[in-house]
Amino acid sequence: DAKTTQPPSMDCAEGRAANLPCNHSTISGNEYVYWYRQIHSQGPQYIIHGLKNNETNEMASLIITEDRKSSTLILPHATLRDTAVYYCIVRLRSNDYKLSFGAGTTVTVRA
Amino acid sequence: EAGVAQSPRYKIIEKRQSVAFWCNPISGHATLYWYQQILGQGPKLLIQFQNNGVVDDSQLPKDRFSAERLKGVDSTLKIQPAKLEDSAVYLCASSFGTGTRTEAFFGQGTRLTVV
Repeated sequence: DAKTTQPPSMDCAEGRAANLPCNHSTISGNEYVYWYRQIHSQGPQYIIHGLKNNETNEMASLIITEDRKSSTLILPHATLRDTAVYYCIVRLRSNDYKLSFGAGTTVTVRA
Repeated sequence: EAGVAQSPRYKIIEKRQSVAFWCNPISGHATLYWYQQILGQGPKLLIQFQNNGVVDDSQLPKDRFSAERLKGVDSTLKIQPAKLEDSAVYLCASSFGTGTRTEAFFGQGTRLTVV
């Protein structure tokens, strides 16, 4: 699996957009970018995934650069409930391949 | 739909004792994962099942940890004997085994304290 690099922590103001970066310079052509988050004392929660096109769902938007070496998860209007550890993961889109977590980014949304 | 169920939620044991955790995945999910999460770290994959078969157990300490998946549904993870460094949250997750739905759904986890 390709490795990812994320900042260890970041702060965000409530109501503002939160932009979470992830570097994955060794990603291969058939590997997807997945994002999960883990709120304190809960199991990780799936947010979104993509291959090369930008993706949006009810939780967030995923922007992947043209060379696919980095991506940004955007929480459009951060709330206090978005305070969590966010994990960027690169893997083949198949359940035959393991889902490996790194250290993630601790995002703190402040009122 | 019902989520991934895990039990117990909390367990305290003495070192060298044995312990077992149980997981009931979401109905119809072929893939089941067990993770260990030590405080302050990301989850570490211990073992991954696809139906009854093991896909990856490269990080499972096989001298003390064992896992099985009964009839491709429920799963148990056992530690025998436990060590102090096994204190962690043990997370179970499941996902569909085929098609486009590869996102994993996680249970609440079992917090193990070894004293």
